[in-house]
Amino acid sequence: DTGVSQDPRHKITKRGQNVTFRCDPISEHNRLYWYRQTLGQGPEFLTYFQNEAQLEKSRLLSDRFSAERPKGSFSTLEIQRTEQGDSAMYLCASSLLQGSEQYFGPGTRLTVT
Amino acid sequence: DQQVKQNSPSLSVQEGRISILNCDYTNSMFDYFLWYKKYPAEGPTFLISISSIKDKNEDGRFTVFLNKSAKHLSLHIVPSQPGDSAVYFCAASARGGDDKIIFGKGTRLHILP
Repeated sequence: DTGVSQDPRHKITKRGQNVTFRCDPISEHNRLYWYRQTLGQGPEFLTYFQNEAQLEKSRLLSDRFSAERPKGSFSTLEIQRTEQGDSAMYLCASSLLQGSEQYFGPGTRLTVT
Repeated sequence: DQQVKQNSPSLSVQEGRISILNCDYTNSMFDYFLWYKKYPAEGPTFLISISSIKDKNEDGRFTVFLNKSAKHLSLHIVPSQPGDSAVYFCAASARGGDDKIIFGKGTRLHILP
């Protein structure tokens, strides 16, 4: 198993465009998490899934953000009508059910110009 | 409001000496604590964790100490090695680690030759 993978690693987009990121968790992990990290900050929780069910969403996750995990495998995070404030590193992590040791992917760095 | 605080943005330690990274938390519901290490352009990597039923957990060169009454934890690295130079994040979770993880802002550790 190669761990958590994320695609793309980098994305540059113009303000107002939509972007979608993908995360492939470690195969036997039931839980999948999305975080956002900006410069000088730690990762901030956005949302998480247990299998295909989205169990919690942070208030940081505005209506422009949507996440899915069809069939409980990979997940996508979509940002509609991007704003410059959306520029950040978007991290995905996965863990076993009821395990708290989350394993992170390398992240997708989004730059909104 | 920062529920997990790492008040030292950076720390420099001589190779071979002990590195001590500190962390304070405010939420009494936290009962599971973790340390992650992050290199540039990579996602955070899990290092070590501790449950609130313990006051110490050791794994090789890494030891985490928890003082529940002071709401304080620390990570000791002995002896410090050049490869330990990275950003270290303190993190906390509730419900025995079954809740989302809240991260501190991180401490950048420099190991000096």
